[in-house]
Amino acid sequence: GAGVSQSPSNKVTEKGKDVELRCDPISGHTALYWYRQSLGQGLEFLIYFQGNSAPDKSGLPSDRFSAERTGGSVSTLTIQRTQQEDSAVYLCASSDGTRYEQYFGPGTRLTVT
Amino acid sequence: AQSVSQHNHHVILSEAASLELGCNYSYGGTVNLFWYVQYPGQHLQLLLKYFSGDPLVKGIKGFEAEFIKSKFSFNLRKPSVQWSDTAEYFCAVISYGNNRLAFGKGNQVVVIP
Repeated sequence: GAGVSQSPSNKVTEKGKDVELRCDPISGHTALYWYRQSLGQGLEFLIYFQGNSAPDKSGLPSDRFSAERTGGSVSTLTIQRTQQEDSAVYLCASSDGTRYEQYFGPGTRLTVT
Repeated sequence: AQSVSQHNHHVILSEAASLELGCNYSYGGTVNLFWYVQYPGQHLQLLLKYFSGDPLVKGIKGFEAEFIKSKFSFNLRKPSVQWSDTAEYFCAVISYGNNRLAFGKGNQVVVIP
């Protein structure tokens, strides 16, 4: 079946602009995760959604970062007033909620100039 | 907080050589353990996982890993590597009741034909 998809695959933006990154999880998966992969920092957890529960936002690095998940499926990660240190690959993952096995999408490479 | 250590970030091997990548984690409770692989230009894929039972787990492409609880380790092995094993390998841990994967910094493995 279809895996996790993300769009866009690449995004170049100017410092100070807002960006939106999209994630489509595997159909039927109730849990959705956002991670960030950057040089020197490795893979960092950002946020977690599980069904209709309140999201775990404890990994978001600042209040410029927010995410929502509509209808228990598609998720959007928004970064406001982007900074150069936000440049990274943003990865989305989903799982069926009953196990801890997460399936990752291809990521969005964000470059802030 | 859970943390994961991977040593020898860059590994260069000849084909048919044996590979062992170390992974140590810091968490005293029940954990689930994973190795993910990222081939050049591709997204993260699950290589193998340990939830419970036999501490020696077999994964795809001839990889195996051994969970040693007393050493907080989950080392990855392959007896004879191929050029196609060139990739970055990430160890990840999720503790029981937690929502996030904690990743190591990764091992960049290059196999020379």
